[in-house]
Formats: sequence, C-alpha cells, structure tokens
Amino acid sequence: DGGITQSPKYLFRKEGQNVTLSCEQNLNHDAMYWYRQDPGQGLRLIYYSQIVNDFQKGDIAEGYSVSREKKESFPLTVTSAQKNPTAFYLCASSMAGVSTDTQYFGPGTRLTVL
Amino acid sequence: RKEVEQDPGPFNVPEGATVAFNCTYSNSASQSFFWYRQDCRKEPKLLMSVYSSGNEDGRFTAQLNRASQYISLLIRDSKLSDSATYLCVVNISPNTGNQFYFGTGTSLTVIP
Repeated sequence: DGGITQSPKYLFRKEGQNVTLSCEQNLNHDAMYWYRQDPGQGLRLIYYSQIVNDFQKGDIAEGYSVSREKKESFPLTVTSAQKNPTAFYLCASSMAGVSTDTQYFGPGTRLTVL
Repeated sequence: RKEVEQDPGPFNVPEGATVAFNCTYSNSASQSFFWYRQDCRKEPKLLMSVYSSGNEDGRFTAQLNRASQYISLLIRDSKLSDSATYLCVVNISPNTGNQFYFGTGTSLTVIP
C-alpha cells in the first residue's frame, strides 16, 4: 500500500535528551513537511523540504532539526533546546510544483517529555 | 493576521440536521483549497478539494468565493459518524514550492 509511515506512535523522553522521529513515504512525493499540533490548536509548520538535500524552516523551527538525504525519508530531531516539546507531531507529503495537489499525512507521533 | 481563520465552534447538532462551516483566508494569491477531517488523536484526512464552481460529494458540498476570500462546507443529513474537527486548508504555492496553511479547525458533535 502507498502511504506515509511514522514511528514510533508514542515516545517518551527525559528532559535534556534529543530524540528523532521517523517519517517515510512511498508515494514518490518530492515535498515533505513536519507539523506540530498542541491540544485544541491548529497545525504549525516546523520544517519542510521540496527536494532531496534541501529544506527550509517553517514558523516554529527553533529547537528542531531535519535532514533529507533520501526522497522517501524526512526524519525530525527534537533537541534539548526545544522548550516545550510535548505535542503531537505530524509528517506530511505532497507533489512539489503542483498547486492543486493536497497533502497526505502520516498517523503521527505523540511525544511526551517527562 | 492569520492566513486562515475558522470559527472554532463547537457546533452541537442533532442527527439529520444541516450544518455549515465557513473559513476565510487572507492571501488573495491562494491557489487551491481543501477541507480535511480530523478525528480525536488521529491525523487529518482529506475530505474534499474546493473548486470555484463548487463541488458536491454525497452529503457534503464545498463552495469557494474568491471575491470575498472564503470557503464553506455544508453537511446535510448529519450522521453520528460526522462528529469530528473540520480543518480548512489553503495552498498558496509561492515560488519556493507549495505552502499549506491550516485553520485551527471547527469542532462538530452530532447528537443522537
């Protein structure tokens, strides 16, 4: 089946630790995105990538880092510099350069900092 | 000013009712528009795209008004299973690639 996978589904981290969230897609999409969602709030863009080996900061990139070494993969690292990392993290992908295309989301990773 | 604004609700309606949600967007260069549905603690899923001519999918009708910069979603004959949060999404497509902006969502509860 074509789609986007994220792992793990639930993640617990101690304060001061870095943690990496996985996102893989087999939709052959060029563009990939990371969002954060807090309870009762909308999605906020962390980072996005339109092509391999290139990515741009979104609205709330501080305390996060990404890499895009392969088209299929866009991992997100939540660093110890992120002040309030407990949230629901969603990865998405879309075709680049096609304005009518929409985004497809993975099932999300729920991160809790203890 | 937010790129996309929605009434957060909540909307509590009886089964069989018709309910409408509106969403406004601020960037006149916006190129494509969507409604997503998000169930509690799940990822958003595409409900329907929104076209200038309006489009219908079963009990759901979406409309776009470019002059007034708003989009709407109408749900007829509401079912219990329609209970969810509905997100309005706008794609602005700048030169650097697609940029998707999400509203905060409108919560719908359909009551038996």
